Amino acid sequence: QKEVEQNSGPLSVPEGAIASLNCTYSDRGSQSFFWYRQYSGKSPELIMFIYSNGDKEDGRFTAQLNKASQYVSLLIRDSQPSDSATYLCAVNMGSGGSYIPTFGRGTSLIVHP
Amino acid sequence: SQTIHQWPATLVQPVGSPLSLECTVEGTSNPNLYWYRQAAGRGLQLLFYSVGIGQISSEVPQNLSASRPQDRQFILSSKKLLLSDSGFYLCAWSKQSGGYTFGSGTRLTVV
Repeated sequence: QKEVEQNSGPLSVPEGAIASLNCTYSDRGSQSFFWYRQYSGKSPELIMFIYSNGDKEDGRFTAQLNKASQYVSLLIRDSQPSDSATYLCAVNMGSGGSYIPTFGRGTSLIVHP
Repeated sequence: SQTIHQWPATLVQPVGSPLSLECTVEGTSNPNLYWYRQAAGRGLQLLFYSVGIGQISSEVPQNLSASRPQDRQFILSSKKLLLSDSGFYLCAWSKQSGGYTFGSGTRLTVV
């Protein structure tokens, strides 16, 4: 069973702090990794993707990938109340050009003023 | 630019009734298309995906079916709905191994 695991939370951080969200995956051959933000009652929206080991920064967001340890993380700097949402980790699992997107259950983030 | 349309936004259907949800993508060709279901408080469950016209792969056995009659059209159907079919249905598209763009979703309540 190919799986993506996330702590369901909620993760509560004060405004202005760094929020750290983690995700582990079971398929060692996975190549593509994504973070989605989902507000309550809305559809997920892509906020970051990462393909290579290391860090990738986009504004207040940094995605970190460690393929050897099979984890990917998302850091949100200077957290704002508007960042309060569920964050979904997604991994493309498969090989040979056939990839199946697998999502974790998501981590609920609460940023309090 | 690419857009994805999904309708209806909400639907209340009695048990045993049929279902048809439609999704269309604009601004791209030969996209990979997906149907997901998200039950209350649960993660995204992949139901079907399609890499081309008439090519449908099912991930979860159930009373739902999917069809892709045109390159950018994906339809989710059921002949007889069950209470357990209630949930938030999401259509998504991607190109090859890229990220997924979701439609706005259909909230289905089976009563």
